[in-house]
Amino acid sequence: QLQLQESGPGLVKPSETLSLTCTVSGGYISGSPYFWGWVRQPPGKGLEWVGSVSYSGNTYYNPALTSRVTVSVDTSTNQFSLRLGSVTATDTAVYYCARLSPIYGDYFDFWGQGTLVTVSS
Amino acid sequence: QSALTQPASVSGSPGQSITISCTGTASDFGGYNLVSWYQQHPGKAPKLIIYEVTKRPSGVSYRFSGSRSGNTASLTISGLQTEDEAEYYCCSYAGVGIYSLFGGGTKLTVL
Repeated sequence: QLQLQESGPGLVKPSETLSLTCTVSGGYISGSPYFWGWVRQPPGKGLEWVGSVSYSGNTYYNPALTSRVTVSVDTSTNQFSLRLGSVTATDTAVYYCARLSPIYGDYFDFWGQGTLVTVSS
Repeated sequence: QSALTQPASVSGSPGQSITISCTGTASDFGGYNLVSWYQQHPGKAPKLIIYEVTKRPSGVSYRFSGSRSGNTASLTISGLQTEDEAEYYCCSYAGVGIYSLFGGGTKLTVL
């Protein structure tokens, strides 16, 4: 069974860079037709797609975040990562990593448990 | 790009059926028939329950069904059960440049 697990600091200072890693087990990123991505959820609010990456490194970002976000993949470690720069309190959220469907990446079929990242000095 | 519009809350009694709507503009759906729905219990990760408007992943109850008419997608839950009480989100594939667009979420209460 495919499993995804987020890891990274739970506290980031304003203006700094948020960095998270998602480790995939029970399957391989390399050569798979799936996309891999990040979704976030501010406390008490709804879901927001952040960005996605293919196994070959092609990236797709939420237009509202594109100037600050980088999603990358490391097939040698079976991980993919999120970097979000110049964070503010509005970036405080639970961040989920997820697998997206092939071809269009239009649905998220496996999710990590989520990790809360708080932006505060 | 604004989120897709969902009612903030719906409610129903055990055994009843409810429908949750998800409304957007034509560009929000990008000319594709690629709408998915997610169920989220408090403190848990979302779970895929419908994809490509009408398809159910393996293991998801037949009580969950999806449809779409024009710029409104709908999720119907029949034979409501207490464990169906959760937040539900729709998501559309809006095409190149926008990609995935979520709805604001609907809180389902089973009375």
